[in-house]
Amino acid sequence: DAKTTQPPSMDCAEGRAANLPCNHSTISGNEYVYWYRQIHSQGPQYIIHGLKNNETNEMASLIITEDRKSSTLILPHATLRDTAVYYCIVRVPQAAAGNKLTFGGGTRVLVKP
Amino acid sequence: DSGVTQTPKHLITATGQRVTLRCSPRSGDLSVYWYQQSLDQGLQFLIQYYNGEERAKGNILERFSAQQFPDLHSELNLSSLELGDSALYFCASSSGGNSYNEQFFGPGTRLTVL
Repeated sequence: DAKTTQPPSMDCAEGRAANLPCNHSTISGNEYVYWYRQIHSQGPQYIIHGLKNNETNEMASLIITEDRKSSTLILPHATLRDTAVYYCIVRVPQAAAGNKLTFGGGTRVLVKP
Repeated sequence: DSGVTQTPKHLITATGQRVTLRCSPRSGDLSVYWYQQSLDQGLQFLIQYYNGEERAKGNILERFSAQQFPDLHSELNLSSLELGDSALYFCASSSGGNSYNEQFFGPGTRLTVL
């Protein structure tokens, strides 16, 4: 699985959009980008995933650059409950080899009032 | 609520002891995963079971073992416990077959080894 680089921490104002970057310059053609978050000591929560097209769901939007070497997770209107550690994970979904998630250090996001 | 349940929530035990952590996956999910989260190692994948069979293994110690039963619940057995085994242990589940499916995590079991 490709390695990812994320800033260790960032602050965001409540009600504003939060843009979380992730660098995955060694990503290969069949690797997907997944985002999970972990709110203080709770189990991680799936947010979104994508291959090369931009994706949007009720939680967030995922923007992947054309060369796929980086991506941005966008929380459109951050709330205090979005304070969490956000993990960007790149992997090939391979049923035969298993489906593990490899978590890096993530970005600790603090949403301030 | 993810639909994944884990028991117990907290466990305090002594070095050298053996404990069993239990996980019930979401209804219909065939895959179960175990992860360990310690302060110095972060979230690490331990092992995956799919429909009762071991599918993938991570950096799981030989003192640790797991199994998935016919009703699809899973147990993680930790033996000869050491201080360094103190951690949060998460179970996750996903529907079987399709690797693209997201994993749903339980609330975790906090193990403290004294």
